[in-house]
Order: sequence, then structure tokens, then C-alpha cells
Amino acid sequence: GENVEQHPSTLSVQEGDSAVIKCTYSDSASNYFPWYKQELGKRPQLIIDIRSNVGEKKDQRIAVTLNKTAKHFSLHITETQPEDSAVYFCAASSGNTPLVFGKGTRLSVIA
Amino acid sequence: GAGVSQSPRYKVAKRGQDVALRCDPISGHVSLFWYQQALGQGPEFLTYFQNEAQLDKSGLPSDRFFAERPEGSVSTLKIQRTQQEDSAVYLCASSLSWVLGLTEAFFGQGTRLTVV
Repeated sequence: GENVEQHPSTLSVQEGDSAVIKCTYSDSASNYFPWYKQELGKRPQLIIDIRSNVGEKKDQRIAVTLNKTAKHFSLHITETQPEDSAVYFCAASSGNTPLVFGKGTRLSVIA
Repeated sequence: GAGVSQSPRYKVAKRGQDVALRCDPISGHVSLFWYQQALGQGPEFLTYFQNEAQLDKSGLPSDRFFAERPEGSVSTLKIQRTQQEDSAVYLCASSLSWVLGLTEAFFGQGTRLTVV
């Protein structure tokens, strides 16, 4: 079955700097890769996703890149703000299988 | 409703007690998923429904765990004879499509189960 590895587990950045979180997956059949943000005590919320037919997707300060050959995908947050502080999860699915999540990255943005 | 609703939000159970956790998905959503999230960890898949059919229960940790969705809407996750290792947040998610990636999976706020 699918295995998703996520790094780093914790990340601290100065406000205004960029943050990058990386994930690898094992199942070459996976074709859907969402990123969820979870604030303390709250539900995970989708912030961006990418499908295997594209290599990059952007939404304002957030971007995701996908390298299918290497089986890895990354989340990039630019101009970080204190409200970006949260736990971020990557996930992968083949479309017919449930999402498999990484273990999460705790991002702290220091003002 | 406006989103996925789970109840109760918090549940404290004595070891050996049975518990039932409820999930109300977004109306019309075909797919429903249950995940277990231990403290500081990512959500771990438990089971998956497409309408009333339970298509995958490979993530259920033991035969003490049972889930149902009899009418293809509300789902209940039941844990019998709870043990301390069952303590976690149980998350429910629903999606409009049966194909993940076609439509977003929305999560509920979860039920935090503490077994004492």
C-alpha cells in the first residue's frame, strides 16, 4: 500500500521568509496530492492540491510542486505570516483509494 | 448542514466501556471516511464508505472497531471494550464524488476520545 513520508517534522521561520515542506510517496499509481492545514484543536482544512497531470500549482502565497519520476511533492509558502503557524499534512491517493497522510510538519512563524 | 458534523466533541470512557461516535457528512456526499489521529501524528485511515457500502475496512485496528452507514448518510463508529491505546481524535471526512481528487474531502472537527 501507499506510504507517505514528510519532512521536516518541525520548522521555524522568521516572518516574511519562505517555508518549504517536502513529501515522498511510494505508490506510482497515486495521482492526487492534497495539502491540509490543521490549527490546534481544529479540523484539517484543504489549502491546495495537485493532480498528476501538472507539475506545479500556485494560489497566492502558496505553491505545490510535483515530481512524478522521483515520487515527491513539496509545499512552498512565501512571505510567511504568524497566521501560517499550524501543522501541515501532505497526503496521496490513487483516486480509488483513501488518502494516506504524512505525519505532519509543525510550522512556527516567528514575528 | 454547512459542514461535516461530529458528535460528541469529547468523550471520556472508562476502560472496557463501549462507545459510539457519530458523523453527519455534508448532505449528498457519496464518500465517507473515518480516520484516527493520535497526538502529534497524522490521520491514520480506518475505514471508507461509498453510500451505504463499506468498501474498505483494512485500517480498523481490531475486531473491537465497527463502523456502519446504513442509509448512506450518517455514519457511526463503534468501539467495544475500549482500551487506553484507543485514546485519540477520531476524524470523519466526506466527499461529493466517489473518486478522490475529483472533489475535495471535507473533515469534521473530530471526537476526542480519552480512555481512563
